[in-house]
Amino acid sequence: GAGVSQSPRYKVAKRGQDVALRCDPISGHVSLFWYQQALGQGPEFLTYFQNEAQLDKSGLPSDRFFAERPEGSVSTLKIQRTQQEDSAVYLCASSPRGAFTEYFGPGTRLTVT
Amino acid sequence: GENVEQHPSTLSVQEGDSAVIKCTYSDSASNYFPWYKQELGKGPQLIIDIRSNVGEKKDQRIAVTLNKTAKHFSLHITETQPEDSAVYFCAASRPSGGSYIPTFGRGTSLIVHP
Repeated sequence: GAGVSQSPRYKVAKRGQDVALRCDPISGHVSLFWYQQALGQGPEFLTYFQNEAQLDKSGLPSDRFFAERPEGSVSTLKIQRTQQEDSAVYLCASSPRGAFTEYFGPGTRLTVT
Repeated sequence: GENVEQHPSTLSVQEGDSAVIKCTYSDSASNYFPWYKQELGKGPQLIIDIRSNVGEKKDQRIAVTLNKTAKHFSLHITETQPEDSAVYFCAASRPSGGSYIPTFGRGTSLIVHP
């Protein structure tokens, strides 16, 4: 079956531009997570949704980062006024109800020039 | 917040040898410990996990041990194969809003030479 998909796979943005990254979780998965992975590092938690409710956004690094999941399925991570330090791979993961296992997508590699 | 230390950062072994990766964590509230394998250009994939009420878990060539008192846990891979070459991440997860939020280690690059 289809796994977690993310689009675009690669994004180059000029400093100051806004970007929107999309995540399509596995159908029926209740939980959705966003992570930021810098080169050579482990993923760092950004935010978590259960259905459409954003239950934890403690990892968002600044108010330039915003995530939404309005209908409890597809999610968008938006970064406003991108800066060079935002360059990273942004990973999305989903999880079914009552399960701990997270299924990761391939990520979106964002490069800010 | 949680701090996860992972060692070594690089591990090079011969095919058939065993590989051991060790992690420590700081937050006693963490009670779920997954291990992930990440290949180039792909997202992490769960390979094994352990809950805090269990000391050891094994799945074929992979085993994980947990010492909650000392706050450390380890991944053991036996009879390594070239296809085991990848980056491995440990994580210590705390409960939050009905799920678990992981803090990842910095990763171990495992290279298995044929």
